[in-house]
Amino acid sequence: AQSVTQLDSQVPVFEEAPVELRCNYSSSVSVYLFWYVQYPNQGLQLLLKYLSGSTLVKGINGFEAEFNKSQTSFHLRKPSVHISDTAEYFCAVSDRQGGSEKLVFGKGTKLTVNP
Amino acid sequence: DAEITQSPRHKITETGRQVTLACHQTWNHNNMFWYRQDLGHGLRLIHYSYGVQDTNKGEVSDGYSVSRSNTEDLPLTLESAASSQTSVYFCASSPRLALGYEQYFGPGTRLTVT
Repeated sequence: AQSVTQLDSQVPVFEEAPVELRCNYSSSVSVYLFWYVQYPNQGLQLLLKYLSGSTLVKGINGFEAEFNKSQTSFHLRKPSVHISDTAEYFCAVSDRQGGSEKLVFGKGTKLTVNP
Repeated sequence: DAEITQSPRHKITETGRQVTLACHQTWNHNNMFWYRQDLGHGLRLIHYSYGVQDTNKGEVSDGYSVSRSNTEDLPLTLESAASSQTSVYFCASSPRLALGYEQYFGPGTRLTVT
């Protein structure tokens, strides 16, 4: 079964600084990868996803992620963060074994952007 | 616009009571999921369904049940609420994940069991 590890539970940064949120997944077989964002007291919404093709994926709000098959990683980056980016970020990988159509989520990284 | 809704948004109940959380989606998605979110655990899958009359257990299904009588709804029932079931519950739906579709999440239900 698939598993996802988000290496940092909390990441504090200053406004306008760059940020990288790290995600590693367990399997090297063909996967779909997702990053979701959860703003306070809201549900999750999709930031970006990787299905195939270019390893650099661009999402909403200036975020991008790079798929690295050899390192089984899918790290999320933003070159300059805003206060409004303060939220919890979840990495997820598809689990498609045996006809299953589920997503396996990491435990989340709480990004706090300070002025 | 199509959407996914959950009700109630907040619920306080007593230990031992039966509680049902509603989830309704208007996208006509076959796949529906229930998760609970707890500090330090992220999102954990409770139950899921790939279509009408289909239900499957997730990783934390003990004490919970679901039924799927139509495409739009997947209610989650706590048979006898326990304090350990105090959590935030999210419902999600998706078209075929095998084709790369993402899951769409509802706004969540905050459940407190006293």
